[in-house]
Amino acid sequence: EAGVAQSPRYKIIEKRQSVAFWCNPISGHATLYWYQQILGQGPKLLIQFQNNGVVDDSQLPKDRFSAERLKGVDSTLKIQPAKLEDSAVYLCASSLDFGEFQETQYFGPGTRLLVL
Amino acid sequence: GDSVTQMEGPVTLSEEAFLTINCTYTATGYPSLFWYVQYPGEGLQLLLKATKADDKGSNKGFEATYRKETTSFHLEKGSVQVSDSAVYFCALIPNRDDKIIFGKGTRLHILP
Repeated sequence: EAGVAQSPRYKIIEKRQSVAFWCNPISGHATLYWYQQILGQGPKLLIQFQNNGVVDDSQLPKDRFSAERLKGVDSTLKIQPAKLEDSAVYLCASSLDFGEFQETQYFGPGTRLLVL
Repeated sequence: GDSVTQMEGPVTLSEEAFLTINCTYTATGYPSLFWYVQYPGEGLQLLLKATKADDKGSNKGFEATYRKETTSFHLEKGSVQVSDSAVYFCALIPNRDDKIIFGKGTRLHILP
């Protein structure tokens, strides 16, 4: 079974530029998550989708971050404009559904972003 | 608020040593508790979990027991291998449908 795919793996941009990350979850997984992992910290949830609807985006900085999950499969996370403090690893994860399966999340390898 | 505190790393051990990584939590409800592992260059993987008090999660020789009286979920392994070198994250979900909350992670180095 293929895992969660993310691209690109690495990205270097200058502040005020924009950047987009792509995630393809495990086939059949209804729930998709985006996390931000700053160096030395644990992952922090940015946004959670159930199919193509947003379940939780309370920690997403909506003035610069946006995410979409059209057709309930792939997802894109965008930052516009980027700030220095956005330098982090952006992790995508997916899970089958809520309920008893909600806890088992499968993570992609992440996209490492460096903002100069 | 709900939170997870785990011991700071890096932790360096020799192969076949006994491992303990401490994790304590603060939660108002009855959380589910998890250990995730991140091997170099890979994404996080669920290592083990426990969903109620006194449950013991186990996988790949690792164990952790959900201790409500001490609000702890310490990770243990009797004999570590070089291949166990990774970053370990303790995490909790406060209540069903809440978001998962991760600790800061503990980097483990195992020397041959």
